[in-house]
Amino acid sequence: DQQVKQNSPSLSVQEGRISILNCDYTNSMFDYFLWYKKYPAEGPTFLISISSIKDKNEDGRFTVFLNKSAKHLSLHIVPSQPGDSAVYFCAASANTGNQFYFGTGTSLTVIP
Amino acid sequence: GAVVSQHPSWVICKSGTSVKIECRSLDFQATTMFWYRQFPKQSLMLMATSNEGSKATYEQGVEKDKFLINHASLTLSTLTVTSAHPEDSSFYICSASLVRAFFGQGTRLTVV
Repeated sequence: DQQVKQNSPSLSVQEGRISILNCDYTNSMFDYFLWYKKYPAEGPTFLISISSIKDKNEDGRFTVFLNKSAKHLSLHIVPSQPGDSAVYFCAASANTGNQFYFGTGTSLTVIP
Repeated sequence: GAVVSQHPSWVICKSGTSVKIECRSLDFQATTMFWYRQFPKQSLMLMATSNEGSKATYEQGVEKDKFLINHASLTLSTLTVTSAHPEDSSFYICSASLVRAFFGQGTRLTVV
């Protein structure tokens, strides 16, 4: 049972435009959410996080929005750069442990 | 930041042999580590939770006798793929959590 879902397997965006990656979850116990970036044949690297007490967290070009009522979070990248091309995973955890549940990933391609 | 080191990054082995993958937390102690497997175009699938000093907890459908996990110290967990077959070829990733999950670089296993 997939508790974290990313319904868009791929996304293409022009350089300089905004990239919006979406993620939905089903477990209301999740209270900490993260986005990871992954290049082929490498381990995921942490990008940005947000806890359930906030609805927005911003770090440079990256902003994560959390809508708890809709059990939805999104990652905005503005402006998008070719180097942002990678697979992005969202992940969630509950305060009961340190196990993270991952979405299926969205492959972002930023076109120069 | 916290670093998790995984070794080897790439290994080819003959069918029927065993392969050991190491996961080390370099600057923090991890009582729990996680082992994931990624199939092409798929999410990171949790295989097992490695617990220091006790038996690993395996996810449903993962053969514990095939994927041996040993967490002998607070900084080292190992995954041994026993009697490897071509269908075991995959990308294996470990992680350890300290506030958030930190991932190893991953191991590309090819069984020929």
